[in-house]
Amino acid sequence: DTAVSQTPKYLVTQMGNDKSIKCEQNLGHDTMYWYKQDSKKFLKIMFSYNNKELIINETVPNRFSPKSPDKAHLNLHINSLELGDSAVYFCASRSRTGSSYNSPLHFGNGTRLTVT
Amino acid sequence: RKEVEQDPGPFNVPEGATVAFNCTYSNSASQSFFWYRQDCRKEPKLLMSVYSSGNEDGRFTAQLNRASQYISLLIRDSKLSDSATYLCVVNERSNFNKFYFGSGTKLNVKP
Repeated sequence: DTAVSQTPKYLVTQMGNDKSIKCEQNLGHDTMYWYKQDSKKFLKIMFSYNNKELIINETVPNRFSPKSPDKAHLNLHINSLELGDSAVYFCASRSRTGSSYNSPLHFGNGTRLTVT
Repeated sequence: RKEVEQDPGPFNVPEGATVAFNCTYSNSASQSFFWYRQDCRKEPKLLMSVYSSGNEDGRFTAQLNRASQYISLLIRDSKLSDSATYLCVVNERSNFNKFYFGSGTKLNVKP
């Protein structure tokens, strides 16, 4: 199946721990994103990579570090987890090449992070 | 002021009803517009792109009004399965990679 897939789907961990979320897309897209959806359901962009290059870096604590080993993968590592990091994290991708102003985002199925 | 604003609802309508949502955006240089649907505890999924001349996909019609900076979504003959949160999404010309999401409008279709 062509898709954006992220793992794990659920992540429950204690404060202070370090965790990673992985994302992979086989859609042939060149731009990938991490979004955070908080308890109020608002989707906020965190990072975006285009062909392994960081192009969007919003005001996110530097405990969050994205890594893109290639254009099909974008991982998110979080150090020293805090209670306020509890949220759903969505990976997404889109095609940036050509006349793709109307190319939409395609989302992974989300990682529900709970910090206790 | 938020880049994209939506009425959070909920809109509670009976099956078969016609319902419309509006969404306003603040940046007149916005380039691309989309409606996404998000079911409870699921990822957002593209419902439809919104084109300048308006477009229709089955029971769904999207309109764009650049002068007033709003987009709309009309759902005809509502089905129970239309119950979801509908997200308005805007992409700016100046930053092609950045998408701004509204907070969503919740729709409940009742039997």
